[in-house]
Amino acid sequence: QVQLVESGGGVVQPGRSLRVSCVTSGFTFSSYGMHWVRQAPGKGLEWVAVIWFDGNSKYYAESVKGRFTISRDNSKNTLYLQMNSLTAADTAVYYCARDFRGDGLFDSWGQGTLVTVSS
Amino acid sequence: EIVMTQSPATLSVSAGERATLSCRASQSVSSNLAWYQQKPGQAPRLLIYGASTRATGIPARFSGSGSGTEFTLTISSLQSEDFAIYYCQQYDNWPRTFGQGTKVEIK
Repeated sequence: QVQLVESGGGVVQPGRSLRVSCVTSGFTFSSYGMHWVRQAPGKGLEWVAVIWFDGNSKYYAESVKGRFTISRDNSKNTLYLQMNSLTAADTAVYYCARDFRGDGLFDSWGQGTLVTVSS
Repeated sequence: EIVMTQSPATLSVSAGERATLSCRASQSVSSNLAWYQQKPGQAPRLLIYGASTRATGIPARFSGSGSGTEFTLTISSLQSEDFAIYYCQQYDNWPRTFGQGTKVEIK
């Protein structure tokens, strides 16, 4: 079955960088767009970024544009999110999610990885 | 950016009763509207897409309706496993945006 497993979260100081990963299985990764969606503690969902199946097209939320980079390695069935210049506002559970039919909604989700930005 | 507004913030319902959740978009999103369910400590789960189409494996007691700017998620007879937070999401424009959620709690 479809599985998405995030890793790489942790505690990081403001201004520093962190990369989170999402290893996938159970589907043809190279055929799907993939997203990152985050959820601050006790808050709602916020879409962060998308990368389409070939990695050539990417979109970002304004709140992370210029600081975060989404990428993928189709040979490893893995999605990444490189996060730079982190602030307390970036503290959240980061979920990777599979795109549904190329439409920008999410039909499978990982369990999430918590990123805490704190000094 | 399209702003999605859900109401009410919290809905208190008894098991077996009907629950009606609302979602409003700040501009038309046609039928490009999805609903998700999230239980504590879990990832969201896709329930409805295209405003009214149930995702794979979703029970028939969940139904969606609406188009344009006004949408409704109805749970016809609440089961214990349905108490959760529900989010709507538009996928008509970038950035994709979610409502703030409606918590369905036991009355």
